Amino acid sequence: TQLLEQSPQFLSIQEGENLTVYCNSSSVFSSLQWYRQEPGEGPVLLVTVVTGGEVKKLKRLTFQFGDARKDSSLHITAAQPGDTGLYLCAGVSSGTYKYIFGTGTRLKVLA
Amino acid sequence: GAGVSQSPSNKVTEKGKDVELRCDPISGHTALYWYRQSLGQGLEFLIYFQGNSAPDKSGLPSDRFSAERTGGSVSTLTIQRTQQEDSAVYLCASSLGFGPSGYEQYFGPGTRLTVT
Repeated sequence: TQLLEQSPQFLSIQEGENLTVYCNSSSVFSSLQWYRQEPGEGPVLLVTVVTGGEVKKLKRLTFQFGDARKDSSLHITAAQPGDTGLYLCAGVSSGTYKYIFGTGTRLKVLA
Repeated sequence: GAGVSQSPSNKVTEKGKDVELRCDPISGHTALYWYRQSLGQGLEFLIYFQGNSAPDKSGLPSDRFSAERTGGSVSTLTIQRTQQEDSAVYLCASSLGFGPSGYEQYFGPGTRLTVT
């Protein structure tokens, strides 16, 4: 069974601080996605990473896919209250192509 | 354009009753997924449909759960003889296709199911 563990589970920080969220597995994934979910809504895609070692930047967010395609990280620089939400990683399972979601990281950024 | 819609948005049912949850995907999306999310947790895969292929039902937790997709569009998730542990938010998503590079999944707002 493929599992994706995220850490930390909860994170409460002050506006302007930096943070990193980790997504780890013992399984290899074809690709990996990061989503953000706000209360009462479905998750919204932030990024897809495909190649081992790939790094993608979206404004203040930096995403990295591990060389072995088993893990990923999300780094936020100078966090803002608008970054508050539940962050979910999702690995695309090799062969079946279904999505295995991580356990989630709930981020709260205080003004 | 219209996004993914789900109905009802909330459902309260008594233990032992059957429930049907509906999902209308984005037009033209060939892949459709059902997930379950317990309070503030990650998403648990239930089932997915891809075009005319046989659905991947590997995530259905018991034989009380079933799903169908009619005409490659609307999908219904049915839970028979509901139990209290079935209480959760049920999310539906659709995507243009599926493959190793991953396609963007567009999620509906979910159906919050409460079994009393």
